[in-house]
Formats: sequence, C-alpha cells, structure tokens
Amino acid sequence: NAGVTQTPKFQVLKTGQSMTLQCAQDMNHNSMYWYRQDPGMGLRLIYYSASEGTTDKGEVPNGYNVSRLNKREFSLRLESAAPSQTSVYFCASRTPPGTRGREKLFFGSGTQLSVL
Amino acid sequence: AQKVTQAQTEISVVEKEDVTLDCVYETRDTTYYLFWYKQPPSGELVFLIRRNSFDEQNEISGRYSWNFQKSTSSFNFTITASQVVDSAVYFCALSEAPGAGGSYIPTFGRGTSLIVHP
Repeated sequence: NAGVTQTPKFQVLKTGQSMTLQCAQDMNHNSMYWYRQDPGMGLRLIYYSASEGTTDKGEVPNGYNVSRLNKREFSLRLESAAPSQTSVYFCASRTPPGTRGREKLFFGSGTQLSVL
Repeated sequence: AQKVTQAQTEISVVEKEDVTLDCVYETRDTTYYLFWYKQPPSGELVFLIRRNSFDEQNEISGRYSWNFQKSTSSFNFTITASQVVDSAVYFCALSEAPGAGGSYIPTFGRGTSLIVHP
C-alpha cells in the first residue's frame, strides 16, 4: 500500500541550480497534482495532469516545468531555482470520477526545499 | 472560479474545550465536493471527510462533526472535547464534481492552525 511516493524528502539548492522532484502513485489514478505550501498561503496548485500525456498550469506555474511520462509518474522540475521557490512541495493523485463514496485526494509525504 | 476562505488563521484552546473551524466557499457550480484535511506537526496531509453538494446531512465521527449549509456556503468543522493530539493545521478544500463542466481541480483554503494546550 505505497499510495503516493514522493522523493526526495529534503533538498537544499543554491540559486540557479536545477532539480527534479519525483512523484509516483500505484493506484492507477488519472489525475495528478503538484502543490506548494507556504506559511499562511495554504496549498497552491503549480501544475496538474488530468491524464497521461497531458499537463496544465495551475495558480503558480512560473519557474516550474512538469512531465507526465506515464500514468504512474508526474515529476516537477525547477530549471533555475530561486529563493522564492523555498517551500514544501506536495504531490497528489485523485480517485477517478464516479468513484462514489471514495472521492478524495491522496498526498505524498512532501518535499521540503530550501533555495539559498 | 472557486474560492475557499478560512478566516481563522490560528485558534488556541485548552484541552477539553469545544472548537469550531470555519470554512466558507464560493463556486458557480451546483454540483461540487467539499473536503477537510488535517496536517499534524509531522507534515503529512490526512483526509478527514468529503461531502457532496447534494447531501446536506451533518456528519459526526467520534469527537468530530461537520455542519454543511448550502444557504450560507459554509462547511464548518467542530471538535468536541479537544485533545492535545488535535493540534494541527486544518485545511478545507473544494472541487467541482466530474461532469459539472469545471476543472475538477481541488482548491484549498489557507488553513487554520489549531493549538490545543494541556
């Protein structure tokens, strides 16, 4: 029962460095999401993927790119990290439409990213 | 566009007190889902409840209860006889239901930090 697996748990980057956050789910979900959590701001959507091969911007996409290579995996890439991207990042997947009574988001354990 | 407002940034109570966390939402859809998630100090996000827009029955689960009122667009969460272990950040979220024509993307409130003192 792995659910949503997110790596790494912690990361420190220098300004300008790049990195990729990995996310995989084993529940055969179509929809996957990347959120960032900042103090007092709640969870804000960065990008989402409604199905394999499709991605769309969320509320705060600038500075990020995503890849949905297959149904299981949805990665988030920071091409040139900036201090403003210091945050906690959560990947999530969602039960399919019509899953009556079990509709919900499943979250990964989060990645704490610091950009110096 | 959908919006979730959790006006209470932080609530501090003493153990055994009852506490209500407010959630007010905005949506143009007639069919939608509302959620509550808990984030304890360990950081993970724990699902608490989901409510469909067409079901206004209140829900009780142990010390937790939820009051859904469409007339006021509110989905409030009450913890009865609070305990120290209830200390966490609580998030309310909203998404359109599938087929409602919306984006089916969950929108979260900013969260309410609940501190329960012994």
